[in-house]
Amino acid sequence: LAKTTQPISMDSYEGQEVNITCSHNNIATNDYITWYQQFPSQGPRFIIQGYKTKVTNEVASLFIPADRKSSTLSLPRVSLSDTAVYYCLVGSSGNTGKLIFGQGTTLQVKP
Amino acid sequence: DGGITQSPKYLFRKEGQNVTLSCEQNLNHDAMYWYRQDPGQGLRLIYYSQIVNDFQKGDIAEGYSVSREKKESFPLTVTSAQKNPTAFYLCASRTGGSPQETQYFGPGTRLLVL
Repeated sequence: LAKTTQPISMDSYEGQEVNITCSHNNIATNDYITWYQQFPSQGPRFIIQGYKTKVTNEVASLFIPADRKSSTLSLPRVSLSDTAVYYCLVGSSGNTGKLIFGQGTTLQVKP
Repeated sequence: DGGITQSPKYLFRKEGQNVTLSCEQNLNHDAMYWYRQDPGQGLRLIYYSQIVNDFQKGDIAEGYSVSREKKESFPLTVTSAQKNPTAFYLCASRTGGSPQETQYFGPGTRLLVL
């Protein structure tokens, strides 16, 4: 399973766009990139998933360059409720679905 | 209302006592997982099960046991052999199909030692 590296923490202000970058230099050919969000004392929640180029849904965008060695989660116009820990995960160990969580990025949105 | 339920929300364990955490899902998912989360850390995999009556150890299985007698249930027992059980425990499930299938998490159980 590919190891991921993310910034430990980030600060932002309400209304700004936030970009969180994740490095995954050892990503395998069939690995997908998935981002989860976790609030304190709650289970992680799926945000977005992609394989290459760009993926967009109603809450975020995911940018993946051609070499796939990194990815960037983009949160448009954040609000205070976006304060959370964001995890970048790569791969799923074949068909077991085993996920490897790093420490994640703690995003603090200020008013 | 489909989803994953975990009970209890808080659980207290006495020294030398075994305790069981409940995880139930009505999503018709084949695969289920148990994770442990310590303060400020990411999740670590304890056990997982891809199908009924089968389960595999994760990265930190020592001191824990599981069973998978029914598709919708995957209880976790924290045994007295687990010397540092205080943590937040999360159960998850997925359909068990292709590798990109996402996992859905329950609300968690916080275990505290008296």
